[in-house]
Amino acid sequence: NAGVMQNPRHLVRRRGQEARLRCSPMKGHSHVYWYRQLPEEGLKFMVYLQKENIIDESGMPKERFSAEFPKEGPSILRIQQVVRGDSAAYFCASSPARNEQYFGPGTRLTVT
Amino acid sequence: GENVEQHPSTLSVQEGDSAVIKCTYSDSASNYFPWYKQELGKGPQLIIDIRSNVGEKKDQRIAVTLNKTAKHFSLHITETQPEDSAVYFCAASPNDYKLSFGAGTTVTVRA
Repeated sequence: NAGVMQNPRHLVRRRGQEARLRCSPMKGHSHVYWYRQLPEEGLKFMVYLQKENIIDESGMPKERFSAEFPKEGPSILRIQQVVRGDSAAYFCASSPARNEQYFGPGTRLTVT
Repeated sequence: GENVEQHPSTLSVQEGDSAVIKCTYSDSASNYFPWYKQELGKGPQLIIDIRSNVGEKKDQRIAVTLNKTAKHFSLHITETQPEDSAVYFCAASPNDYKLSFGAGTTVTVRA
């Protein structure tokens, strides 16, 4: 059973560009979570989604950030008009229900 | 919201010795407490978790204890090995999905 997959693993964007981060949950998992990790810090919750629904987005910045988990395909975290402060590692996790979360390898976003 | 503090930030132990990491949390509604191990360049790996109806849980060389009254929980690693070297994170959640993480402990096991 493949683990949580994220791509790309590394992403470089210039200020003002858009970043799209993809997450494919583990097989059989319908719950997806996104977290952001700044250097030398713990992970910060961003959003919790189930298929086609956003359950809790209380950790998402109000502007420029959006997330979706369509009926078919991976979950997408989208950051519009990136700024240098968006540089971080973004981790996706999945679970079969509201329980143990299994994390992917992360996408390391660098904004130049 | 939940605030989790983790100590120490770094821990160096001799191979074979024990390592203990402590966390405190602020939200008395929190009822789920997982621990994650993160190796360089990788995602966090769930190593053990505990719920508020249990005071202690053990899995081979690792154990977690929970004191709900004092709002703290600890990770114990016995007979440490070089492969235990990593960053360890504690987390707490009142609803099983919104994990609040501590800042992490970098554990180094000296051979």
